Amino acid sequence: DVKVTQSSRYLVKRTGEKVFLECVQDMDHENMFWYRQDPGLGLRLIYFSYDVKMKEKGDIPEGYSVSREKKERFSLILESASTNQTSMYLCASSPPPVGTRAEAFFGQGTRLTVV
Amino acid sequence: AQKVTQAQTEISVVEKEDVTLDCVYETRDTTYYLFWYKQPPSGELVFLIRRNSFDEQNEISGRYSWNFQKSTSSFNFTITASQVVDSAVYFCALRMNTPLVFGKGTRLSVIA
Repeated sequence: DVKVTQSSRYLVKRTGEKVFLECVQDMDHENMFWYRQDPGLGLRLIYFSYDVKMKEKGDIPEGYSVSREKKERFSLILESASTNQTSMYLCASSPPPVGTRAEAFFGQGTRLTVV
Repeated sequence: AQKVTQAQTEISVVEKEDVTLDCVYETRDTTYYLFWYKQPPSGELVFLIRRNSFDEQNEISGRYSWNFQKSTSSFNFTITASQVVDSAVYFCALRMNTPLVFGKGTRLSVIA
């Protein structure tokens, strides 16, 4: 079974702190993604990575950065946390969309509260 | 541009009723993938099904069935004889050679 593990289920941080959200997958997937989920807005893509050391901006990258030094790990960094970054963060991994393989598998989510 | 529309924000049904969740998508690509995910109260998105653009066969899996129609750009999901455990938010998603694009989700409440 594919397993995507996010380092924390719940996190409370103070405004201005640097926050690291870690995500690890065990299926040797090339692609990894970070989404945030907010009521009424659905899932919005923050950043994604097609392979090690590669990163691409998604729809809402402002205030975030990412790191992918190893294939299995994709980290989301909030450079200076703000209250409007309070949200549910979801990490996912997938193979490249080729043939019959394209689905993404998600971690359990990290609910981040910035106070 | 790609887009997924789930017009139903919330649906409430009584247990054992059938319910259909609608999904309409937009894409100019001829090769694409469609998905349904379930998000129970625990929060994790659970993959349910994938459909490729070149395979319009409908699918049935137990109480779940999916109707993919390219002519109307729709990929609808039906739950037969709904159960309380089906209560969740359901997301439809679209993918080309890109990350997944999600609809805003439909919250299904099944009342005993």
